[in-house]
Amino acid sequence: GAGVSQSPSNKVTEKGKDVELRCDPISGHTALYWYRQSLGQGLEFLIYFQGNSAPDKSGLPSDRFSAERTGGSVSTLTIQRTQQEDSAVYLCASSLERQTGYTFGSGTRLTVV
Amino acid sequence: SQQGEEDPQALSIQEGENATMNCSYKTSINNLQWYRQNSGRGLVHLILIRSNEREKHSGRLRVTLDTSKKSSSLLITASRAADTASYFCATGSNDYKLSFGAGTTVTVRA
Repeated sequence: GAGVSQSPSNKVTEKGKDVELRCDPISGHTALYWYRQSLGQGLEFLIYFQGNSAPDKSGLPSDRFSAERTGGSVSTLTIQRTQQEDSAVYLCASSLERQTGYTFGSGTRLTVV
Repeated sequence: SQQGEEDPQALSIQEGENATMNCSYKTSINNLQWYRQNSGRGLVHLILIRSNEREKHSGRLRVTLDTSKKSSSLLITASRAADTASYFCATGSNDYKLSFGAGTTVTVRA
């Protein structure tokens, strides 16, 4: 597509429920990144995909977080048993190759109540 | 952990004035990038400067990089109301990911 698309744009969920966040990167971009941004803070790296593989998952906060990417395209970030501290904006970005500018999606604002 | 740190945290200027913000980082880098974020949502890539470059221009933006001091600056000339946003520096080393700072919030008053 023309840009990075994320859905949903907003998600309110009850504590303890599972959520899935979707990212559709720019066609042809092999690198895909997930970041998290809490209110008024900088970006916290979560995970990076090169193609369908994730060489580094060390940024995932806990084992409740998982992510996958299929067909070298769409990625899904899943948070199981959500907690209030998971509330944040989850940003996805893609790039044509490493060490070039990222194109970000508009993010998913997750609120856990 | 964050690699870059922006200074100041917040900046308020009059329309038409220049805005300058700085970024300091700790470890060696391959490149440094600046991004703009409006309304707490997606970031927009502004400019990338490589470690062997000292200055780069893009429209009203001027970026400098001093690797000996591990610092960079972003200058926005002749600011406009539309420049009101948060600005982030991000550093790239020899791996795949960028490390972002906490950002500078710029307010341009009409």
